[in-house]
Amino acid sequence: ILNVEQSPQSLHVQEGDSTNFTCSFPSSNFYALHWYRWETAKSPEALFVMTLNGDEKKKGRISATLNTKEGYSYLYIKGSQPEDSATYLCASPKTGRRALTFGSGTRLQVQP
Amino acid sequence: ETGVTQTPRHLVMGMTNKKSLKCEQHLGHNAMYWYKQSAKKPLELMFVYNFKEQTENNSVPSRFSPECPNSSHLFLHLHTLQPEDSALYLCASSQELSGQGTYGYTFGSGTRLTVV
Repeated sequence: ILNVEQSPQSLHVQEGDSTNFTCSFPSSNFYALHWYRWETAKSPEALFVMTLNGDEKKKGRISATLNTKEGYSYLYIKGSQPEDSATYLCASPKTGRRALTFGSGTRLQVQP
Repeated sequence: ETGVTQTPRHLVMGMTNKKSLKCEQHLGHNAMYWYKQSAKKPLELMFVYNFKEQTENNSVPSRFSPECPNSSHLFLHLHTLQPEDSALYLCASSQELSGQGTYGYTFGSGTRLTVV
């Protein structure tokens, strides 16, 4: 993996379903993995910043895990609600750079 | 309001115009960033400033000219743009002390730019 990649590109679920998405990133010279939520017509909002292999973080119904050795992170949403509808971005700094490189995002739509 | 304010929210400009985008943060962050999002593309880094010094220029054409007079303000001066420069321009800031991207960004709401 040379860049930050996310899958799936989009996801439609029913209210109450649990769901998860994947972020893959270069595992060499790893520093940090970020998750952001971006609702339509709003600013991207930071969810998690993860730095340690095996790290798990939780914020309400949303949680994330990190595997730096194999270069992936999962974002889980338990019991999806319509207000969870947004694009979820992951990002990581490239080797030797301060700034974040973003994936293309996973667009989640939760149907009531 | 997130703490990062961008103006204007929308801008339509002709290819021969000169305009500027403004970004302001009073979060005490030392790093500020310009990102561009074109249709169906990921956020693309343009410029990075740390303590008002430019630290990264991601091969951005010279028709985009950034300015950072202090740690709280960041501008993007635009001149002789092309229609393909139409995009959402996002400003962000972070308290980046480690130089390793370990601090979360606070984003502005963006400027939707249309070049006609």
